[in-house]
Amino acid sequence: KNEVEQSPQNLTAQEGEFITINCSYSVGISALHWLQQHPGGGIVSLFMLSSGKKKHGRLIATINIQEKHSSLHITASHPRDSAVYICAVVGSGGGADGLTFGKGTHLIIQP
Amino acid sequence: NAGVTQTPKFQVLKTGQSMTLQCAQDMNHEYMSWYRQDPGMGLRLIHYSVGAGITDQGEVPNGYNVSRSTTEDFPLRLLSAAPSQTSVYFCASSRTSGGARGYEQFFGPGTRLTVL
Repeated sequence: KNEVEQSPQNLTAQEGEFITINCSYSVGISALHWLQQHPGGGIVSLFMLSSGKKKHGRLIATINIQEKHSSLHITASHPRDSAVYICAVVGSGGGADGLTFGKGTHLIIQP
Repeated sequence: NAGVTQTPKFQVLKTGQSMTLQCAQDMNHEYMSWYRQDPGMGLRLIHYSVGAGITDQGEVPNGYNVSRSTTEDFPLRLLSAAPSQTSVYFCASSRTSGGARGYEQFFGPGTRLTVL
């Protein structure tokens, strides 16, 4: 079973700061997802990546397959970015048995 | 498209009662899954389906049943509710199970279940 670890567990920062959330996993994967969960519970997919880097607006996600590590960066952070960010991996067998999730990073951006 | 819908949003049960959590998607996705989310833990897979008529167990299947008679619907049944099943339940779907690259996952809004 893949072990997915996220750090930090909790992060409080000031508006405008550059944010980095890390995710590491123990077993090879075919893809990795970054998800966002706002208070009230809905989960939204931010990125899905299997190599390299993706960018969407102020969000950047990178993955290093050899090091089994991914990072999610938020540039020019804003209070509306406050949420739980969840890393989830797809097994190398293709993911028929679902995703394996990290416990999430609780991010609070203060004005 | 409505995406992935779940009903009910909230439910309170007494120990021993049974109920069905409904999940439906209108994106013609092959792959559907049920997860539970508990404080301090990541989401955990309960059951999944790779297509109509095909279901399989995930990490925490005990106490739950599923069926997939159509592509659109994937209900989760609690056979005899227990306090340990108090949780938030999420249904998710994607185009296929993932293949070499994976596919975007779409989540329902969740059902908050309390078992007394």
